[in-house]
Amino acid sequence: QSPLTQPPSTSGIPGQRVTISCSGAKSNIGTNPVSWYQVLPGTAPKLVIFNSHQWPSGVPDRFSASKSGTSASLAISDLHSEDEAEYFCAAWDDSLNGPAFGGGTKVTVL
Amino acid sequence: QVHLVETGGGEVQPGRSLRLDCGVSGDLFHNFGMYWVRRAPGKGLEWVAHISYDGRESHYAESVEGRFTISRDNSKKMVWLQMNSLRVEDTGIYYCGRDEGGALKLGILNWGQGVPVTVSS
Repeated sequence: QSPLTQPPSTSGIPGQRVTISCSGAKSNIGTNPVSWYQVLPGTAPKLVIFNSHQWPSGVPDRFSASKSGTSASLAISDLHSEDEAEYFCAAWDDSLNGPAFGGGTKVTVL
Repeated sequence: QVHLVETGGGEVQPGRSLRLDCGVSGDLFHNFGMYWVRRAPGKGLEWVAHISYDGRESHYAESVEGRFTISRDNSKKMVWLQMNSLRVEDTGIYYCGRDEGGALKLGILNWGQGVPVTVSS
């Protein structure tokens, strides 16, 4: 059971907007910034959002994120075929003294 | 440019030990905490261990506490994960990653390519 809760899957057609939710607790999302990771099959995770809403260099602004209370969300606008991947949310957990990860959401581009 | 390379994975029997190495290129290694994160087959990402920039503090996931030890040598730009009393459920891909801002404030930007660990009889 992952500390953060994400839906297992979502899908959309090219050009559409999809959102992924991430639910946590006061000890993690409620207190600390959220980061989001894209994982393509057979590759290492790639940071797409940090500090709850900022992009690392090279990540398109089609990716956006927000946080409210103990929940966070990632939105992918203008969906591209290359966005098909798994997405994980994460936040430091003061109770664990380490990162809490979500279970991951598989995004399928139809 | 920061580059992380993990080595040391392999297949072992339950109860045996394995050590994973993570070599880091680039400057300022001594300024950053480091993580080990794993992914079991069919499962999500799971934090395993974290070590502070100076090696003085380390923390572990409950599932590995008392069996795994993280350490580092800033002069060698290396991080290690000593895994003892391995269990079948420790099977997975293990990644090392750099803590950009402390306590995941800025996320994990730099990751290694991952190294497979298989625990099987």
